[in-house]
Amino acid sequence: DQQVKQNSPSLSVQEGRISILNCDYTNSMFDYFLWYKKYPAEGPTFLISISSIKDKNEDGRFTVFLNKSAKHLSLHIVPSQPGDSAVYFCAASDRARNGNQFYFGTGTSLTVIP
Amino acid sequence: DVKVTQSSRYLVKRTGEKVFLECVQDMDHENMFWYRQDPGLGLRLIYFSYDVKMKEKGDIPEGYSVSREKKERFSLILESASTNQTSMYLCASSLGTGRNTEAFFGQGTRLTVV
Repeated sequence: DQQVKQNSPSLSVQEGRISILNCDYTNSMFDYFLWYKKYPAEGPTFLISISSIKDKNEDGRFTVFLNKSAKHLSLHIVPSQPGDSAVYFCAASDRARNGNQFYFGTGTSLTVIP
Repeated sequence: DVKVTQSSRYLVKRTGEKVFLECVQDMDHENMFWYRQDPGLGLRLIYFSYDVKMKEKGDIPEGYSVSREKKERFSLILESASTNQTSMYLCASSLGTGRNTEAFFGQGTRLTVV
């Protein structure tokens, strides 16, 4: 049973515009959320995270928003650049649980069109 | 910089072979994970370990086993490889329970079983 869901398999955006990637989760015990970026034939690389005590975290062009009541988070990339074209995974964790396991969504493939 | 190193980038094995995938991390992380990535299915957890000689099943452990004899090394074993185990395998590590920390991934091993 998928506890973290990314319902959009793909997204295309013009260079310079905003990219918005969405993620939903079902487990209310999750208290730490992350976004990863993955290029083909490489491992995922960490992008940005947010703790459940916050509703927004910003790092340069990347901002993550968390809506705990809706169990929803989103990643905003602005302005989008062609190098942002990759697959983006959201992940969630229950930090109190032994092993600090990460649950991943199915990914959204972002294409930024020059 | 945290480094997670997987022993092979590409592997081709025959059906029925015993396959070992090795992973080493250099940051003294407590937790280590093995995922597989398949199109449309995202990253699925096979096994994880939160301490030496400790292991826990993830979502899809069938057909796999693991070994963690030393803190820095986590091995994934395919006891008898089958074609449905053709996939991208990703190893990751992270600090222990309760911390604000991300998982760091290796570069991945693309395994083809013929």
